[in-house]
Amino acid sequence: DAMVIQNPRYQVTQFGKPVTLSCSQTLNHNVMYWYQQKSSQAPKLLFHYYDKDFNNEADTPDNFQSRRPNTSFCFLDIRSPGLGDAAMYLCATSRGDRRGYQETQYFGPGTRLLVL
Amino acid sequence: DQQVKQNSPSLSVQEGRISILNCDYTNSMFDYFLWYKKYPAEGPTFLISISSIKDKNEDGRFTVFLNKSAKHLSLHIVPSQPGDSAVYFCAASGNDMRFGAGTRLTVKP
Repeated sequence: DAMVIQNPRYQVTQFGKPVTLSCSQTLNHNVMYWYQQKSSQAPKLLFHYYDKDFNNEADTPDNFQSRRPNTSFCFLDIRSPGLGDAAMYLCATSRGDRRGYQETQYFGPGTRLLVL
Repeated sequence: DQQVKQNSPSLSVQEGRISILNCDYTNSMFDYFLWYKKYPAEGPTFLISISSIKDKNEDGRFTVFLNKSAKHLSLHIVPSQPGDSAVYFCAASGNDMRFGAGTRLTVKP
């Protein structure tokens, strides 16, 4: 009864080589989020989708892109990974509403990205 | 900008005693607060929340206290159990959601 699934759990890529991380959900939630978490730091929101509406955080580098082809799936594309992009990437979902973030978020287990 | 701070990276308590995890925030626009619990190799899972119109919310062994004037919230776990050993994240929401860096709780048998 997995609810938020992230694949792969571990991803190794080379410096500058594009990489895609995937997230799927069985909760039928309309909001999906991508967070970056570096060691001993708070999860940092990169962007989120409210249905098909993409919402980018102001300080998210252009190197990070996202796609949401349907309700269930969301992808994080890192166009040219640098060493500083090595981190845990967490996907989350919520029912959400446009008034704010007062819905519980359900997280996937994360994908740990290593950049060589 | 760290709008949500958990100043204790780790906490160790004895089984059966109370665990108190603390969280401070700076943005007065935050009006909803949550605690998440994270086990190794798993994503954070929701534990308990509180709206800014309340100062206390209780769910079994878990109680969250909110002091708006001090911009401070705390999570009390009593009695603590070894299975409570995990990383606890505080989160605050308003127009966006911010997380603290987490506190690693270890409950010793």
